[in-house]
Amino acid sequence: GENVEQHPSTLSVQEGDSAVIKCTYSDSASNYFPWYKQELGKRPQLIIDIRSNVGEKKDQRIAVTLNKTAKHFSLHITETQPEDSAVYFCAASNEFQGGSEKLVFGKGTKLTVNP
Amino acid sequence: SAVISQKPSRDICQRGTSLTIQCQVDSQVTMMFWYRQQPGQSLTLIATANQGSEATYESGFVIDKFPISRPNLTFSTLTVSNMSPEDSSIYLCSAMEGMSTEAFFGQGTRLTVV
Repeated sequence: GENVEQHPSTLSVQEGDSAVIKCTYSDSASNYFPWYKQELGKRPQLIIDIRSNVGEKKDQRIAVTLNKTAKHFSLHITETQPEDSAVYFCAASNEFQGGSEKLVFGKGTKLTVNP
Repeated sequence: SAVISQKPSRDICQRGTSLTIQCQVDSQVTMMFWYRQQPGQSLTLIATANQGSEATYESGFVIDKFPISRPNLTFSTLTVSNMSPEDSSIYLCSAMEGMSTEAFFGQGTRLTVV
């Protein structure tokens, strides 16, 4: 089955700096890669996702890149702000016509943005 | 996007008892899932709740311990049976709509077994 590795487990940056979180996956059939943000005591929420037919996707200060050959994808947050502090989870699944398989999550990265 | 309501939000239970967690979605969804999340840890999938049939359990989770119901396309329950302190965790319901792979989560149930 799919296995998702995520690094680093903790990341501390100064406000305004960039943050990068990396994930690798094992199943070449995986084609959908979402990123979730979970604030303390809250539910995980989708912040951005990418499918295997594109290599990069941006949404304001957040971007995700995908390297299918190397089976890795990364989350990039620019101009970090204290409210970006949270735990971020990457995930992978096989999306097919009419549905998808289950999401497999990485272990998470606790991001702290210091003012 | 689907809105998921989960209850109870928290509970403290005696060992040996059972707790049923309810998950209600405000729209019909194709897939529903139950996760467990230990404090500071990742999300571990317990099972996929199948509408009208038995749930599909992940390795390490069994129906006798975690019976699941899904009577329709908007509702599911997870029961944690014969609880022990090791079952103390946050339990999260999740759902996917239609053709979308985006997963939405309930707010979680924080369970403490004493």
